[in-house]
Parts: sequence; structure tokens; C-alpha cells
Amino acid sequence: ETGVTQTPRHLVMGMTNKKSLKCEQHLGHNAMYWYKQSAKKPLELMFVYNFKEQTENNSVPSRFSPECPNSSHLFLHLHTLQPEDSALYLCASSRGTIEDTQYFGPGTRLTVL
Amino acid sequence: KQEVTQIPAALSVPEGENLVLNCSFTDSAIYNLQWFRQDPGKGLTSLLLIQSSQREQTSGRLNASLDKSSGRSTLYIAASQPGDSATYLCAVGPGGGADGLTFGKGTHLIIQP
Repeated sequence: ETGVTQTPRHLVMGMTNKKSLKCEQHLGHNAMYWYKQSAKKPLELMFVYNFKEQTENNSVPSRFSPECPNSSHLFLHLHTLQPEDSALYLCASSRGTIEDTQYFGPGTRLTVL
Repeated sequence: KQEVTQIPAALSVPEGENLVLNCSFTDSAIYNLQWFRQDPGKGLTSLLLIQSSQREQTSGRLNASLDKSSGRSTLYIAASQPGDSATYLCAVGPGGGADGLTFGKGTHLIIQP
């Protein structure tokens, strides 16, 4: 176990639904990340939070809305998604944002119908 | 914009062979480089982290090197085993003002028993 958990592991939703992905880290880290992994594409950084403050938004559409209430929890709120948003969404954490190993959760496999 | 390329995209070798996976990146202004493995349907497991000031890191049968000036890294796997079968991902960062990692597409490795 990496100490980073994600729920749910699988999610199927329609384009009009609203759902949320949850990530929790038990490592005492200060930085948390959302990445998207689509078929045949490299992992793409979506958001970075450091000490609960968002430090990076990698031009992500507004239908993805992150929330970081504390350093241990990270959410990704989803609404009005498109089928092309279907992917594996990975959460990661690290002690800091520079020079530190990132530890990944198992991911949420999202399918948008 | 940083780009990471991994060669080969796929590799199949008999058990026991030594092998080398290659990674190149376009912007040498990086803080570190990480190698990960990803098993099917799973998250990422960190294998080795090389800071920009280092030349190599070793862990068991794995050895990773970094030539920052030429924008290259290699992952050497000695005495390969079927359990090494996975996708190996190279990631660089942070750098250029971004806090997250920039990933390559990975090398899909199969070790034949």
C-alpha cells in the first residue's frame, strides 16, 4: 500500500450527472495532485495543491472542480462531463512540491456515457 | 513546454536478460526525474528518484542514470524476471514554474518465462 487511497475505484456516469472523486493520503504530506491518464496518452497533470492552496491549474475545463479542505483530503467534483473525459484519474501526494517523491493512489476508472 | 519521450514503446524479452529503457526530455531545467512502474489497472509505484544534481540511483536490480545536460535518462534492469512485466513510466519535474510531473507515454515490458 502506498498510503494514498481513492474512492470510488470505478464510476460510470451520464453527461448530466454530478459526481465527486475522493482522495485521502495517510503519509503526512503537504502537497496533493490530480492527474488524468487517457488511453495512448501520457499522464497529464490537472491540479496541484500545496498546504491546501491551489498552485497549479493546467488549463483544465471548468467542468472539473477540485477541492482541498485539508492537507490529507482532495476531491475532484465532476459535472456535465463529456465522453472524452473517460479516463483513469490518479491522485498523488508528496512531502513538498519540489525534489520529493510523489506517491500515487490506485486511481478511479471513470466512464462517461 | 516540456516533452518526455520513452523508447521503446514496447519490449518483450526472455527471462534473465539485462535490459535498458530509455527516456529523453526536451527542457533540461528540471529538479528531478522519477521512474515508475504501473501494473494493469493499477496506480503508479515509484521505483527511483534522481535529483538533478545526481548522476544515478540504484535499488536492487534497478539502476537509473541521469544526464541532465543532454536530456536523457536510462533505467537498467538486471536479470529480468516475469514479475518485472509492467509499464515503466519516466517523469520529470518540477520545472518551468510547474509543480507537477511531466510524463512520457511509457514502455510496456513483457518478460517471457
